[in-house]
Amino acid sequence: DADVTQTPRNRITKTGKRIMLECSQTKGHDRMYWYRQDPGLGLQLIYYSFDVKDINKGEISDGYSVSRQAQAKFSLSLESAIPNQTALYFCATSGKISYNTEAFFGQGTRLTVV
Amino acid sequence: GENVEQHPSTLSVQEGDSAVIKCTYSDSASNYFPWYKQELGKRPQLIIDIRSNVGEKKDQRIAVTLNKTAKHFSLHITETQPEDSAVYFCAASMVSGGGADGLTFGKGTHLIIQP
Repeated sequence: DADVTQTPRNRITKTGKRIMLECSQTKGHDRMYWYRQDPGLGLQLIYYSFDVKDINKGEISDGYSVSRQAQAKFSLSLESAIPNQTALYFCATSGKISYNTEAFFGQGTRLTVV
Repeated sequence: GENVEQHPSTLSVQEGDSAVIKCTYSDSASNYFPWYKQELGKRPQLIIDIRSNVGEKKDQRIAVTLNKTAKHFSLHITETQPEDSAVYFCAASMVSGGGADGLTFGKGTHLIIQP
């Protein structure tokens, strides 16, 4: 089945380290998103991309950067990780046609910054 | 930017009863309102969505209503079952350029179905 795959699934890193979370999809979707989930806060949009040349900031982009290496790949980087970036991170994809708006989420990456 | 408020944060109902979760949004340009269900340890999954040109949509035991004037929308689950226990998120977005922009989520409702 076509899916959205995130790697790694779990990661513990130290404060100040650079870390990259990766997302790949086999759904053939154009749009890709990164969200962060904290308990009691729902999901917050970090960055989104409509195609390889189109990157947009979301609500909480400070401290994060992204790269859209190909239509199917969208990575999220924390240049210098800090403890309050400890969270569950989700990648999502959606189609580009107006009736195909459902967002499909990856399994999530649990990141702990110590 | 868009702001989505969701209530209640926790809802406990008896099995077989109905559950209603309510959301309000702030940006009148938003025209797409999905609801996601997230079971413990799992990824969010879409259960139903509605566009701003429609006032109500049903899918078996689940329905969503939208009041554009008041900027609020609600999820209704009838004849609740144990497998309905989960966290539910409402969201708002704008469909443009042929697809949806990033979603703004509410903070979630933990629905507990009591046997």
